[in-house]
Amino acid sequence: DQQVKQNSPSLSVQEGRISILNCDYTNSMFDYFLWYKKYPAEGPTFLISISSIKDKNEDGRFTVFLNKSAKHLSLHIVPSQPGDSAVYFCAASGNQFYFGTGTSLTVIP
Amino acid sequence: DAGVIQSPRHEVTEMGQEVTLRCKPISGHDYLFWYRQTMMRGLELLIYFNNNVPIDDSGMPEDRFSAKMPNASFSTLKIQPSEPRDSAVYFCASSRGLANRGYQYFGAGTRLSVL
Repeated sequence: DQQVKQNSPSLSVQEGRISILNCDYTNSMFDYFLWYKKYPAEGPTFLISISSIKDKNEDGRFTVFLNKSAKHLSLHIVPSQPGDSAVYFCAASGNQFYFGTGTSLTVIP
Repeated sequence: DAGVIQSPRHEVTEMGQEVTLRCKPISGHDYLFWYRQTMMRGLELLIYFNNNVPIDDSGMPEDRFSAKMPNASFSTLKIQPSEPRDSAVYFCASSRGLANRGYQYFGAGTRLSVL
């Protein structure tokens, strides 16, 4: 059973606009959440994280929002750039570690 | 550091054959993870080690899968016998402490095709 879900397998956004990637989780015991970015033929690389005691964490163009009551987190990329085109995985950590199925983002120049 | 190194990058084998995937973690990292990526399930954690000791292997799908870490700089994931449904990309990752909460460094992966 998927404990971390990314319901949108793909997303296309125009360059300069905002990209919003969503992630839902089922286990309220998760206390740390992460986003990883993956280019083809490469392993995932860490992008940004957030602790469950916060509801927002920002790093440059990337912001992660956490809504614990809804068990939902999102990644905002503003402004989107063609180099952001990749697969994005959300992950949740508690006693164990779970990744979502990924969302493929395409930023159109 | 060269990062996490996996070999081979690609493996094509026939059903029933033994497959061994290899991983060299980043020097100084005390945690090592094996993942499998499929379209349907995304990245699944198979097993992880701390200081060369297996901590949680609950993600290993079947007894056909086994993993070892004989020393701090080397780990293997073995599938025997392999089946077509094992076809996937297998990633190895390492981290310095779980306190970093998943700040894991991934290798480039091994793409396994079982015919």
